[in-house]
Amino acid sequence: DTAVSQTPKYLVTQMGNDKSIKCEQNLGHDTMYWYKQDSKKFLKIMFSYNNKELIINETVPNRFSPKSPDKAHLNLHINSLELGDSAVYFCASSQDSPLASYEQYFGPGTRLTVT
Amino acid sequence: QKEVEQDPGPLSVPEGAIVSLNCTYSNSAFQYFMWYRQYSRKGPELLMYTYSSGNKEDGRFTAQVDKSSKYISLFIRDSQPSDSATYLCAMSVLNSGGYQKVTFGTGTKLQVIP
Repeated sequence: DTAVSQTPKYLVTQMGNDKSIKCEQNLGHDTMYWYKQDSKKFLKIMFSYNNKELIINETVPNRFSPKSPDKAHLNLHINSLELGDSAVYFCASSQDSPLASYEQYFGPGTRLTVT
Repeated sequence: QKEVEQDPGPLSVPEGAIVSLNCTYSNSAFQYFMWYRQYSRKGPELLMYTYSSGNKEDGRFTAQVDKSSKYISLFIRDSQPSDSATYLCAMSVLNSGGYQKVTFGTGTKLQVIP
């Protein structure tokens, strides 16, 4: 059984379009994250939700809007896509206790290419 | 200056070699120190974590933290081709909301040649 799953795995789209990436975890975790990994493998936190509440919101353009319908799902919607948005987006989750949130379980990633 | 610095490599070693991977950091508030392994086209997976200065061993892997020097290392003994991956160091600090915020290094790509 896949612990953290993301759809789609690949996404190719044109500049200016709006797209969404979905994430689901079946680990029973309360905390979920979105990370962006650029071409140089730098993994940077974007957002984090705990039980549907936003707890980490890094300096990310307003075009990126996370949404957590329930604690097992965290989706990412991106408006007006730009070339610089091309990257691999990882969803992750961690245990309930905030002090244990250093141990994160990652999904397989969504490779977004903006042309 | 980035909070976490890591040599990107790539690092190429023969099978059986001892590998040393290193990171330095600037934020003395970091509490947990982790090493994640990322295979090509996969998500990172936690390999080891430590909370305090000193060594922690797990099979062929040893994680070392020196808080006074703000330096962490991962040693891999008897390296195997299956160890070929990108290794990301990571560190976490408690944010104002009481949650651990994790900062990753840029990763070191390791290739173990049979």
